Amino acid sequence: QLQLQESGPGLVKPSETLSLTCTVSGGSISSSSYCWGWIRQPPGKGLEWIASIYYSGNTYYNPSLKSRVTISVDTSKNQFSLQLSSVTAADTAVYYCARHPFGGGYSLDYWGQGTLVTVSS
Amino acid sequence: EIVMTQSPATLSVSPGERATLSCRASQSVRSNLAWHQQKPGQAPRLLIYGASTRATGIPARFSGSGSGTEFTLTISSLQSEDFAVYYCQQYNNWPPQFTFGPGTKVDIK
Repeated sequence: QLQLQESGPGLVKPSETLSLTCTVSGGSISSSSYCWGWIRQPPGKGLEWIASIYYSGNTYYNPSLKSRVTISVDTSKNQFSLQLSSVTAADTAVYYCARHPFGGGYSLDYWGQGTLVTVSS
Repeated sequence: EIVMTQSPATLSVSPGERATLSCRASQSVRSNLAWHQQKPGQAPRLLIYGASTRATGIPARFSGSGSGTEFTLTISSLQSEDFAVYYCQQYNNWPPQFTFGPGTKVDIK
């Protein structure tokens, strides 16, 4: 059974960089069939896709966040990571990692449990 | 960007009754539409993909329909565990530019 687990600091100061890692177990992040993505949800609000990455390093970004986001992959550790720079209180959210097919045609299917990141001094 | 809208924002239903949720896309997404269920404090769970195909393990009381810009999720007989927020999500484009609707909360009448 595929599992995804987010990890990282729960508190980040304004103007700093938020860094999160998603560890994949029960499957290989190097699968040619899938991409790995980040989605966030501010408290009490809806879902926003942030970015996705393919094991070879192909990256895909939400244009509204692209200038502040970096997504990367470490196939040796079966992990992928998110960095979001110059954070403000508006970046406070639960951050989820998830899987979706490479090439489209299918939805996000497996999700991590999420991790709350609060931006505050 | 494809904008997704959902109605109603909240739906109050008695257990055993039928619930009908709507989702609209600002432009055609063909059948590239999914529904996710989210319970408080939990991650979303994929219910429906391809507008009408149930994901693995999803009960038959959940059904999806529609194509293009208009979609519907129907829960035929609400069980206690079905009270949750439901999000529609489009995945029509490659490279991905996923967008979600704002959600419909199904609560107990």
